[in-house]
Amino acid sequence: DQQVKQNSPSLSVQEGRISILNCDYTNSMFDYFLWYKKYPAEGPTFLISISSIKDKNEDGRFTVFLNKSAKHLSLHIVPSQPGDSAVYFCAAAASLTDYKLSFGAGTTVTVRA
Amino acid sequence: NAGVTQTPKFQVLKTGQSMTLQCAQDMNHNSMYWYRQDPGMGLRLIYYSASEGTTDKGEVPNGYNVSRLNKREFSLRLESAAPSQTSVYFCASRVGQAPNTEAFFGQGTRLTVV
Repeated sequence: DQQVKQNSPSLSVQEGRISILNCDYTNSMFDYFLWYKKYPAEGPTFLISISSIKDKNEDGRFTVFLNKSAKHLSLHIVPSQPGDSAVYFCAAAASLTDYKLSFGAGTTVTVRA
Repeated sequence: NAGVTQTPKFQVLKTGQSMTLQCAQDMNHNSMYWYRQDPGMGLRLIYYSASEGTTDKGEVPNGYNVSRLNKREFSLRLESAAPSQTSVYFCASRVGQAPNTEAFFGQGTRLTVV
């Protein structure tokens, strides 16, 4: 049973607009959340993370929001650029109890010029 | 700094053949992981090694074995390949059990079993 869920397999957005990617999790032990970006024929690369002690983390055009009560996080990309077209994976870890990262199924983002 | 290196990048096997996927990291990380990526399934953990000398099963370990040869290297072995093992395999490493640490991934091995 997947503990991290990305229910939108794809997202199409116009260049310059906001991209919002959503992620839900079921394991209440998760306390560290990450977003990865993956281009075709490459390995995933780390994008941004957030600890459960925060509800927002910002890095340039990327902001991650965490709602612990709803077990939900989102990634905002503003403004979206053509180079942002990729697959985005949400991942979570129970950092104090195990070493594993659990991943969602991914959301494919296409930024239209 | 090479990061995480996987070999080979591509492989075609016949059903029943065996092979070993190699992974090495040069970041002095304690933890290493093997994932497989399948359409609509995301990245699923096959096996992981929290530290040198230890290995543990992940979500989908059946049909695989692993060896943590030393701190740098973590190999994945398919003893008798099956078409269901056609996938893209990623090796990753992470500092270890510490908060706020990300995993670094290799470029992947695309395996086809016919």
